[in-house]
Amino acid sequence: DGGITQSPKYLFRKEGQNVTLSCEQNLNHDAMYWYRQDPGQGLRLIYYSQIVNDFQKGDIAEGYSVSREKKESFPLTVTSAQKNPTAFYLCASMGPGNTIYFGEGSWLTVV
Amino acid sequence: QQQVKQSPQSLIVQKGGISIINCAYENTAFDYFPWYQQFPGKGPALLIAIRPDVSEKKEGRFTISFNKSAKQFSLHIMDSQPGDSATYFCAASMEYGNKLVFGAGTILRVKS
Repeated sequence: DGGITQSPKYLFRKEGQNVTLSCEQNLNHDAMYWYRQDPGQGLRLIYYSQIVNDFQKGDIAEGYSVSREKKESFPLTVTSAQKNPTAFYLCASMGPGNTIYFGEGSWLTVV
Repeated sequence: QQQVKQSPQSLIVQKGGISIINCAYENTAFDYFPWYQQFPGKGPALLIAIRPDVSEKKEGRFTISFNKSAKQFSLHIMDSQPGDSATYFCAASMEYGNKLVFGAGTILRVKS
């Protein structure tokens, strides 16, 4: 099936630990995005990438890092510098008509 | 600052009724206004979208009304069904879908 696959679905992070969320797409889309979702605040853009080996900061990039070594993959690392990382993380890509498609999301909890 | 304000925060509608969700934006450079539907634990999915050269767009039971002078747009769900119960997000962007700015979301519950 074509789509966006995020893993893991649930992840727990200890204080001071870096964790990486995986995002893979087989839709052949150039642009990919990472959003963070908190209750009552909608979706906020963390990072986005329009082509391989290039990415830009979104509105809340502090404490996060990304890479785009392959067109299909856009992993997000939540570093220890992110003081409040507990949230639902959504990966997305842009398809025909500039429609943005989302993955199923990953829940990150600090323990 | 780019912002999209969405209301109400939550909405309860009887089956068969009309659900109305409103959004207002500030940046007049926005030129693409989609609505997304999200079920619990899932990623949002595009429902319907409009550009400012059109005042209304209808797809099945879902209609977007757009008021450019007031900088407002709204989603109307006709004949609301329990299966429509979800969170709805409005959004806006300046580059035809690149870098969407989202509203805070509206939790819709349709009572059967």
